[in-house]
Amino acid sequence: SQKIEQNSEALNIQEGKTATLTCNYTNYSPAYLQWYRQDPGRGPVFLLLIRENEKEKRKERLKVTFDTTLKQSLFHITASQPADSATYLCALADSTLTFGKGTMLLVSP
Amino acid sequence: KAGVTQTPRYLIKTRGQQVTLSCSPISGHRSVSWYQQTPGQGLQFLFEYFSETQRNKGNFPGRFSGRQFSNSRSEMNVSTLELGDSALYLCASSLAQTGGTSGGFGTQYFGPGTRLTVL
Repeated sequence: SQKIEQNSEALNIQEGKTATLTCNYTNYSPAYLQWYRQDPGRGPVFLLLIRENEKEKRKERLKVTFDTTLKQSLFHITASQPADSATYLCALADSTLTFGKGTMLLVSP
Repeated sequence: KAGVTQTPRYLIKTRGQQVTLSCSPISGHRSVSWYQQTPGQGLQFLFEYFSETQRNKGNFPGRFSGRQFSNSRSEMNVSTLELGDSALYLCASSLAQTGGTSGGFGTQYFGPGTRLTVL
């Protein structure tokens, strides 16, 4: 069966460090993969999209990689700040858009 | 540009009742998708409408239905409510022109959600 896995345990890091979040999937052939940020009580906010033929995408302090052989995407936030604390969701698009359950990131000062 | 709006923001219903939720997309967006979010299952895709037609559907029972109007506004209806329907219902709009495996979902712009509690 199809499955998207994100680390269910919260990731705790110190301000200034690089946060790396993982999204693994099985039995998908996604056309592209997206990353979203969600704050408590609010809808997700789009961050980055990476297509199956792209290896890496960057936007300011954010970087996403996409390895279709490993069936994995890594999401990096460099020079992390307490304001980056949120839940981060990956989403795969084939015939529908399927979200992982998200990983909570906590950045301490 | 105004964002995606959803009404009502909070709703309390009892088992067996039905409910209708409303979503107004960003101006110019013709694709509207609905999602259910619960702590246990996460964010799950319900269905997507484009130009008044349901283009994609998730794995939910027929009690969940929707429609889209000519102005792209969308409604979602849940009939015969069950306790397990308690969730945050999110609507998202998109500029996506094509559907399915060609990457038609595009960037999803989410509304604030409707918190439904079923007693």
